Amino acid sequence: GQQVMQIPQYQHVQEGEDFTTYCNSSTTLSNIQWYKQRPGGHPVFLIQLVKSGEVKKQKRLTFQFGEAKKNSSLHITATQTTDVGTYFCAGRGNTGKLIFGQGTTLQVKP
Amino acid sequence: DAEITQSPRHKITETGRQVTLACHQTWNHNNMFWYRQDLGHGLRLIHYSYGVQDTNKGEVSDGYSVSRSNTEDLPLTLESAASSQTSVYFCASSGTTSYNEQFFGPGTRLTVL
Repeated sequence: GQQVMQIPQYQHVQEGEDFTTYCNSSTTLSNIQWYKQRPGGHPVFLIQLVKSGEVKKQKRLTFQFGEAKKNSSLHITATQTTDVGTYFCAGRGNTGKLIFGQGTTLQVKP
Repeated sequence: DAEITQSPRHKITETGRQVTLACHQTWNHNNMFWYRQDLGHGLRLIHYSYGVQDTNKGEVSDGYSVSRSNTEDLPLTLESAASSQTSVYFCASSGTTSYNEQFFGPGTRLTVL
């Protein structure tokens, strides 16, 4: 069945450093969503990518969807302590169901 | 404001007991989902529903059941709780198109002793 793999599982950075998490699907996706879960909280929707090669920005966050629509990335420039949390990608394939990656937990040292 | 709530927020139970976790949404969404979250596994889909009287199994449905008698509620029942079902459970809802985001509830932390 469809699988969505996300790496790395954990990342520790110094405040001000950049951070990237990568998401890879075993099948072509119709769209991909990204969610953020703060410690002790619940996942909250950040953004959706639909088009091949699409790039979207939200302040210091840059989201990319691969040309083949099988991979995606989230890049945070100059991390801040408020960026701490777990970032999930979720891909929608031909089943129509949203499949979540395992998540990347980001720790930021002040 | 529309919201999605879960109860209880924390539950401790014993092996073999039946447990029901409640999920209630006021978004008027047709789609509702139950996930469990465990370290290293992310969010895994247990059951989902696309409308009243519709229920479907997800990737980790063994030992769980759901019923959908109205739009607002999708209770999750553990028929005979097992220690392997200790986890954090999230309910979510969404609109009906494939471009809709999911809105998550605050979660229920379940411990099975």
